[in-house]
Amino acid sequence: DGGITQSPKYLFRKEGQNVTLSCEQNLNHDAMYWYRQDPGQGLRLIYYSQIVNDFQKGDIAEGYSVSREKKESFPLTVTSAQKNPTAFYLCAIGRYNEQFFGPGTRLTVL
Amino acid sequence: GQQLNQSPQSMFIQEGEDVSMNCTSSSIFNTWLWYKQEPGEGPVLLIALYKAGELTSNGRLTAQFGITRKDSFLNISASIPSDVGIYFCAGQLSGGGSNYKLTFGKGTLLTVNP
Repeated sequence: DGGITQSPKYLFRKEGQNVTLSCEQNLNHDAMYWYRQDPGQGLRLIYYSQIVNDFQKGDIAEGYSVSREKKESFPLTVTSAQKNPTAFYLCAIGRYNEQFFGPGTRLTVL
Repeated sequence: GQQLNQSPQSMFIQEGEDVSMNCTSSSIFNTWLWYKQEPGEGPVLLIALYKAGELTSNGRLTAQFGITRKDSFLNISASIPSDVGIYFCAGQLSGGGSNYKLTFGKGTLLTVNP
């Protein structure tokens, strides 16, 4: 089954813990993106990567980290430095000027 | 980062009515995209526009790339209950280079009463 997978769908963590969100794709696209969505807000770009072993900060990168060791995978770590981590996180892949989104992970920090 | 001005923020309509929403910016865009997001899911790409003045349809949905390249419109005809969701516009700024970053509007929440 082709596409973009994000796991888990729901994630709960205690305050002060780091947590890693998974994003995998088997569509062979070079570009991958991470967005954060809060209620009533548009999507805000956290990090993006256009090629393996390279990534750039987006508009709200503070408190987050990423890696791109494989073309298929672009995991996002929400660190304890992120002051307000509870949100809906969306991974996307890019094809030219179009982006296609995964199903999202809802992170709740207690 | 820059945001697009998307309006209206929300709409309550009766089944069968037509719907219009739009996005505007002070900057020029070379791509406009329209997405639909249902609760708890990722946005799904509905229509992509690449040329100023372009008018594209996808079933009951029609979108246009504004002639000034600073706006775009989405129309939904004869709405049905499954049209419920949040509709987002997104665009790539002209001169944005090859990083293919998108700018998003804040969305239009559409509710359809059966």
